[in-house]
Amino acid sequence: KNEVEQSPQNLTAQEGEFITINCSYSVGISALHWLQQHPGGGIVSLFMLSSGKKKHGRLIATINIQEKHSSLHITASHPRDSAVYICAVRSWRGGSEKLVFGKGTKLTVNP
Amino acid sequence: NAGVTQTPKFQVLKTGQSMTLQCAQDMNHEYMSWYRQDPGMGLRLIHYSVGAGITDQGEVPNGYNVSRSTTEDFPLRLLSAAPSQTSVYFCASRSWTGESEQYFGPGTRLTVT
Repeated sequence: KNEVEQSPQNLTAQEGEFITINCSYSVGISALHWLQQHPGGGIVSLFMLSSGKKKHGRLIATINIQEKHSSLHITASHPRDSAVYICAVRSWRGGSEKLVFGKGTKLTVNP
Repeated sequence: NAGVTQTPKFQVLKTGQSMTLQCAQDMNHEYMSWYRQDPGMGLRLIHYSVGAGITDQGEVPNGYNVSRSTTEDFPLRLLSAAPSQTSVYFCASRSWTGESEQYFGPGTRLTVT
């Protein structure tokens, strides 16, 4: 079983819909990242969380440390939100903090 | 700040050739790392460094070498390219202290024939 699991793997939505992407992890973490990758593009960090909730514009990220679960919400989705969203946890292993990545959720928002 | 830069953006190699992927950052970050991204898999750590002169292996180090002679630069060397090394490679950096943000380079798409 992967240490970081994301659901769903693929998500198709209509413009304007509210979207939720989930991330569950099985290791102890010091922080969790939500990353965005557009097709053929680089990777951009959207959020870094160690507790609670953060909001940037239409994006909201929450984390529940006790349940080892995080969610990324997109309100009023837009076609430009179409991308792969990746959850990554920062975890101590082998004497150093490393990132462990989920496989990503591919989001397509249709106009 | 340019952030994290990588060169080249695209590269085609023949089996057995060697090459170096370049990575540089201008944010004075201590921690730098190399990942590969393959279809259907999450990003996997190849090598990382917590400061100049210090490097260590990640999850998939075989076939790759790194060095860190300066804080800014962290090149990845492919010693003898194999088709299994066809992938997209990302360099990343962050500060070692506290809750520091993670920055990624634009990626290098490598094809080994």
